[in-house]
Amino acid sequence: GAVVSQHPSWVICKSGTSVKIECRSLDFQATTMFWYRQFPKQSLMLMATSNEGSKATYEQGVEKDKFLINHASLTLSTLTVTSAHPEDSSFYICSASPPGGAVLNYGYTFGSGTRLTVV
Amino acid sequence: QKEVEQNSGPLSVPEGAIASLNCTYSDRGSQSFFWYRQYSGKSPELIMSIYSNGDKEDGRFTAQLNKASQYVSLLIRDSQPSDSATYLCAVNQNTGFQKLVFGTGTRLLVSP
Repeated sequence: GAVVSQHPSWVICKSGTSVKIECRSLDFQATTMFWYRQFPKQSLMLMATSNEGSKATYEQGVEKDKFLINHASLTLSTLTVTSAHPEDSSFYICSASPPGGAVLNYGYTFGSGTRLTVV
Repeated sequence: QKEVEQNSGPLSVPEGAIASLNCTYSDRGSQSFFWYRQYSGKSPELIMSIYSNGDKEDGRFTAQLNKASQYVSLLIRDSQPSDSATYLCAVNQNTGFQKLVFGTGTRLLVSP
């Protein structure tokens, strides 16, 4: 149980274009999903917390107008990188929080990640 | 002071030895603690979770928690080359969203 599917696994786009990344919880409803970014040889940095039916909560220093998050259903959250530039090239990973108190026991389930390369 | 601190390593151990990974955290209100393993280019996978003081064992892995010292560790017995990866310590913040804060990770190298 607690499977999170993330697509695409990799994407190459031209500078100035937008890219959408999808994160789906396959066998549970996720009221909260998290989006992380990881640069080479660095740890995961939380970008934003995505809440179903409400606005996302962004971490300090993350541009909400550049990284658009939509969590329209209990099983789907999307991250759109708008007007992407080479410095946005990174590994983007989503994770979902299982319902209730399960997170205390089982942690979070991560998607497989999306490697974005902006050329 | 970083919220979750780990030695970046690399920690090198020979095959069959015990690998000891350490992590300290700053938020005394933290409730749950997790160890994730991350292979290069892959997303993290959960190895162990612990929320009570003491030891928790699962196969070759033992997590140890000392809330008074704000310290959590992971022991890997009979280390295998396939254990070579980066190990991330994560601590849940005591907030409504149960946000996880990650350490920078310790790179473990197990030599045959």
